[in-house]
Amino acid sequence: EVQVGESGGGLVKPGESLRLSCVVSGVTLTHTWMSWVRQAPGKGLEWVGRIKSQIDGETVDYAAPVKGRFTISRDDSKNMVYLQMNSLKTDDTAKYYCTTMRPENYYGMDAWGQGTTVTVS
Amino acid sequence: SYVLTQPPSVSVAPGQTATITCEGDNIGRKGVFWYQQKADQAPVLVVYYDSDRPSGIPERISGSNSGNTATLTITRVEAGDEADYYCQVWDKDSDHWVFGGGTKLTVL
Repeated sequence: EVQVGESGGGLVKPGESLRLSCVVSGVTLTHTWMSWVRQAPGKGLEWVGRIKSQIDGETVDYAAPVKGRFTISRDDSKNMVYLQMNSLKTDDTAKYYCTTMRPENYYGMDAWGQGTTVTVS
Repeated sequence: SYVLTQPPSVSVAPGQTATITCEGDNIGRKGVFWYQQKADQAPVLVVYYDSDRPSGIPERISGSNSGNTATLTITRVEAGDEADYYCQVWDKDSDHWVFGGGTKLTVL
């Protein structure tokens, strides 16, 4: 069973930085893409960004609201994925989810952590 | 950017069939994913690539996609199906993933 766990959330002031971590177990990340998705309080899901597998070039793409401020990276040796968030804004306040995306599910977001909450105020 | 439109809410009586739509320009040409999010829980993938189900998802949940509308259908609805449902596609032009606004399914 694939398990995902996020950490690193907290309360920060506008303009500050925060790094979220995501640990994955139960699957090798060789062919696994990873995404971050966020959900503002009482709102819907918003895709933040995705990093492809090392085999697929570790290509990273970001949603427009975070491009240039957020950076996704991965360390497959540790089964870890990271989300570096700089120049945080109040609009970035949300629960942040880490998800796996595997080819057998056509890269649907097939395993989610419980999320970590980021509050910018 | 690509836009997906879902009805904010759908209500259905237990045992009946719930239909949740997701509209987008030529969405029938894209692969659609559906997620179920129960209150205070993380989302769960329930349908991938229009109509396939991950292991563990009951056959009562099915998906279809054609033209400008994708549809998630839940037959023999149970109280435990009450949740928010989100559709999602990959926008090839931007290489971005897009979610619909979500539909709250209420079981009467």
